[in-house]
Amino acid sequence: GEQVEQRPPHLSVREGDSAVITCTYTDPNSYYFFWYKQEPGASLQLLMKVFSSTEINEGQGFTVLLNKKDKRLSLNLTAAHPGDSAAYFCAVSAAGYQNFYFGKGTSLTVIP
Amino acid sequence: GALVYQYPRRTICKSGTSMRMECQAVGFQATSVAWYRQSPQKTFELIALSTVNSAIKYEQNFTQEKFPISHPNLSFSSMTVLNAYLEDRGLYLCGATTGRDTEVFFGKGTRLTVV
Repeated sequence: GEQVEQRPPHLSVREGDSAVITCTYTDPNSYYFFWYKQEPGASLQLLMKVFSSTEINEGQGFTVLLNKKDKRLSLNLTAAHPGDSAAYFCAVSAAGYQNFYFGKGTSLTVIP
Repeated sequence: GALVYQYPRRTICKSGTSMRMECQAVGFQATSVAWYRQSPQKTFELIALSTVNSAIKYEQNFTQEKFPISHPNLSFSSMTVLNAYLEDRGLYLCGATTGRDTEVFFGKGTRLTVV
């Protein structure tokens, strides 16, 4: 089945710096790509859903890049602030959402 | 809007006992419901995917004998953790979708503590 590798497992940046989290996947049939944020003790909050046809997606304070050739998905927080401190998970799904595969997560700490 | 509610939000059970958790979809038809577990300090593992009118598909390392699932209609699913032990503790999440390539909606999870 699909294998999703997420790096780094832990990331610490200063407020205002950028933070980049990367996932690689193995299934060429993967079609939907997701980034979730999980604050301590809470469930998943969807940050962005990316379709396979779109390579660059901009959200509120972050950019998601999809490179289908390299099977790589990245989340770039452009100017991190302490409220961004949380765990971030990527997830990958084939068409039809038959299965969701999560990365192992990245614990991000933003130092004021 | 589409919402998914999970009950209970937190629960504690004694080692060797069983615990049932529920997932309720509101505002859409939950054709498919996936159950996940997030063990402490780990990612979300898919336990099983249930689709109405189809057999429930369990992932490797998870069995129907340990995690029986019911998905009787398009708005409700439940899962029981039988004979819970320490390694079963964690956050159990259900994700529901209409199955027509729309968004997956997640509940807030049921946090299971085993003592």
